[in-house]
Amino acid sequence: EVQLVESGGGLVKPGGSLRLSCAASGISFSNYAMNWVRQAPGKGLEWVSSISGTSTYIYYADSVKGRFTISRDNAKSSLYLQMNSLRADDTALYYCARWESSTYGFDIWGQGTMVTVSS
Amino acid sequence: QSALTQPRSVSGSPGQSVTIACTGTSSDVGGYNYVSWYRQHPGKAPQLIIYDVNKRPSGVPDRFSGSKSVNTASLTISGLQAEDEADYYCCSYTGSFKVFGGGTKLTVL
Repeated sequence: EVQLVESGGGLVKPGGSLRLSCAASGISFSNYAMNWVRQAPGKGLEWVSSISGTSTYIYYADSVKGRFTISRDNAKSSLYLQMNSLRADDTALYYCARWESSTYGFDIWGQGTMVTVSS
Repeated sequence: QSALTQPRSVSGSPGQSVTIACTGTSSDVGGYNYVSWYRQHPGKAPQLIIYDVNKRPSGVPDRFSGSKSVNTASLTISGLQAEDEADYYCCSYTGSFKVFGGGTKLTVL
């Protein structure tokens, strides 16, 4: 069964750090670009970051550039998001999503992990 | 990286058709034929329903269709069903980044 499972969310104070993980199963993980997409409570989807299959190409939304770092470990079929200097407006449900380059769409999503930034 | 523009809400009765517009610029929607659409039910993860402007993934009914004209993409849902009540998001590939629309809440009356 194809599955993405996020973990690592929680409550953190402004200025703090958190590392999210996404474990993939049932897919040839290294063949796909992976992304983080977030959704603030009651709000819409926001693309956060993407990483190519070999980690050659990495991109960030302006809102997180310089604070977040995306990475992957293909041997462990895992995706990561290191989040530093967290702010209240980073509070959101963070989804891991597979980018299918033959369809140019996010075809597989995890269920998300919640990050709350509050003092 | 400005969000694409979608109407906040649309509604229709069962059996009717509704269309949701998604307006961007020549740097995103107008510049690439890589617009995708997602349906999200409350408390659930988004689901891909249209890719490459007008293609449907396997398993998505042909009641869902997509199109694009210049800088505006559209999602049309025909033969509305109760299960179609959800939030809908467009997304455009921009060469390096991806940008989503603000989302549209579809209410089936």
